[in-house]
Amino acid sequence: GAVVSQHPSWVICKSGTSVKIECRSLDFQATTMFWYRQFPKQSLMLMATSNEGSKATYEQGVEKDKFLINHASLTLSTLTVTSAHPEDSSFYICSARDMRVLAAAGGYEQYFGPGTRLTVT
Amino acid sequence: AQKITQTQPGMFVQEKEAVTLDCTYDTSDQSYGLFWYKQPSSGEMIFLIYQGSYDEQNATEGRYSLNFQKARKSANLVISASQLGDSAMYFCAMREGRGTGNQFYFGTGTSLTVIP
Repeated sequence: GAVVSQHPSWVICKSGTSVKIECRSLDFQATTMFWYRQFPKQSLMLMATSNEGSKATYEQGVEKDKFLINHASLTLSTLTVTSAHPEDSSFYICSARDMRVLAAAGGYEQYFGPGTRLTVT
Repeated sequence: AQKITQTQPGMFVQEKEAVTLDCTYDTSDQSYGLFWYKQPSSGEMIFLIYQGSYDEQNATEGRYSLNFQKARKSANLVISASQLGDSAMYFCAMREGRGTGNQFYFGTGTSLTVIP
């Protein structure tokens, strides 16, 4: 399958600082990427849908001013956690939609990145 | 209502034995896809197997098979001949044919431990 990378793979930051996480589609163009958050021993929860060239669509309960998403190119989406607090410590995973590959259930195939582990101290 | 329900938070299986991980789903769409992912401690989501709502045969991928019972809305994962490396979290997920961006809905996961 297609490759999606995330950078950094892990990051530790101090409370009150901002941290940027990158999600890249390495061998395909992704007009749509998704950002998920996973707390320890819990499931993945969709945070937002990132669309190239337009504003992200946030899920209910996700603060758009705190989790800034920028999808500036067809291969890159960034998630910036602003003024991070310890409760933002989590595993952040992105997925990218590959418009070249139709999925049998409708829509297009998606591929997950390896995740970024954020720890806020 | 939960879209995906996994009722087994943790499972143990003896090495070389088979194990079934349960998953039920809820959707009113006719077209949807069901997925199983494995997440080892490293965190990466590893795709295991896919079943389309219109597929008449149960999906199989090597040691993985999906027991798809459409009328009961269940999509259980069967792992045959368990190996120590199978110890991980397993997530059942669904993607509906319609809906915003075809997002995934994930279950809460089952932690599988393979005992030597």
